[in-house]
Amino acid sequence: SQQGEEDPQALSIQEGENATMNCSYKTSINNLQWYRQNSGRGLVHLILIRSNEREKHSGRLRVTLDTSKKSSSLLITASRAADTASYFCATWMDSSYKLIFGSGTRLLVRP
Amino acid sequence: DTEVTQTPKHLVMGMTNKKSLKCEQHMGHRAMYWYKQKAKKPPELMFVYSYEKLSINESVPSRFSPECPNSSLLNLHLHALQPEDSALYLCASSQEGQLSYEQYFGPGTRLTVT
Repeated sequence: SQQGEEDPQALSIQEGENATMNCSYKTSINNLQWYRQNSGRGLVHLILIRSNEREKHSGRLRVTLDTSKKSSSLLITASRAADTASYFCATWMDSSYKLIFGSGTRLLVRP
Repeated sequence: DTEVTQTPKHLVMGMTNKKSLKCEQHMGHRAMYWYKQKAKKPPELMFVYSYEKLSINESVPSRFSPECPNSSLLNLHLHALQPEDSALYLCASSQEGQLSYEQYFGPGTRLTVT
């Protein structure tokens, strides 16, 4: 079952622009994670934000979490062609004891 | 070594074949996972092993049989699969059996059932 819905489903931007992806979820979480997947390959963990955190940074990535709205956003600044990939949010709920992935956003960065 | 390896990379099998997917990690992680991913969809959890014991089976059909011979290895035995089982099969691991930590994924096995 899907816990997270991501928006937009697909995003196309020019190199150098910022990319913002949003994730909404339905029930209380322990943490929320973002992963990147290059076409047909394994997922790479990007960042984990815990339910008591509001914002986290890692390099060109900025993640926010609003537990009152049950939503998170991933901002990629100064995008590069190499950022072209699918991005998934994933939520961890203690009640389900597993990581559940959102529907994903396909990002295309045009050179 | 922060790598999860999976073999084979590609597998084509008939519906009457028996084959196995293999996954290995040497990060000392004590939780290992199998996911199935269809094109343009998110990964779907199949099985979770924690400290070499099966802790979660997401109602996966018995034609998929997982095995965890030791803390570094995870197998997925396949038998009498259906064409709709064609997908990317991903293995992942996380540290110390704490299932809420980030997961490290292998590159996947692309399975085609003919």
